[in-house]
Amino acid sequence: QKEVEQNSGPLSVPEGAIASLNCTYSDRGSQSFFWYRQYSGKSPELIMSIYSNGDKEDGRFTAQLNKASQYVSLLIRDSQPSDSATYLCAASDTGRRALTFGSGTRLQVQP
Amino acid sequence: DGGITQSPKYLFRKEGQNVTLSCEQNLNHDAMYWYRQDPGQGLRLIYYSQIVNDFQKGDIAEGYSVSREKKESFPLTVTSAQKNPTAFYLCASTPRTGPATDTQYFGPGTRLTVL
Repeated sequence: QKEVEQNSGPLSVPEGAIASLNCTYSDRGSQSFFWYRQYSGKSPELIMSIYSNGDKEDGRFTAQLNKASQYVSLLIRDSQPSDSATYLCAASDTGRRALTFGSGTRLQVQP
Repeated sequence: DGGITQSPKYLFRKEGQNVTLSCEQNLNHDAMYWYRQDPGQGLRLIYYSQIVNDFQKGDIAEGYSVSREKKESFPLTVTSAQKNPTAFYLCASTPRTGPATDTQYFGPGTRLTVL
């Protein structure tokens, strides 16, 4: 069974701080990785995708990928209370052309 | 506006009933997916379809059925064989061509409750 593991949290950070979210995956064949944000009672919305080793930045968000360690992370700079949500990590399942999702990390940004 | 719509937003099922959840997309995406999310948990794949008239079981297909007669539509039926169907159901789609063939976009979801 292919798996994506995340710490369930909650991860609590003060407003303005950097939030660091981490994820590991078991499928060495995965080529695509995604971070989704999910507010309570709502559907997931895509924040970032990353396909190559290294960093990818988009505004306050930076995704990091290390395929050798099978590790993906998301950094949120200048965290805002509106960033408080559950963040889902997903990895491509090449055998099925589907995504495998982690259980999510709940982030709380304290004003 | 292009997007994915799901209906109804809330659905209540009595014991022994079959119910059908609707999912429609006008993004011209080829692949469509159904997930189930239980409180505090991630998304589990129920069924998926890469092209019209073809679909595959995901990890938790028992008690569910789907059809894919049109590219735009991928309805999910929750049958009476599904013993614990209370959950949040999410439909997603993705293009099969272009630079983002794995990126999934989600509908707003249907919350199903068994009475």
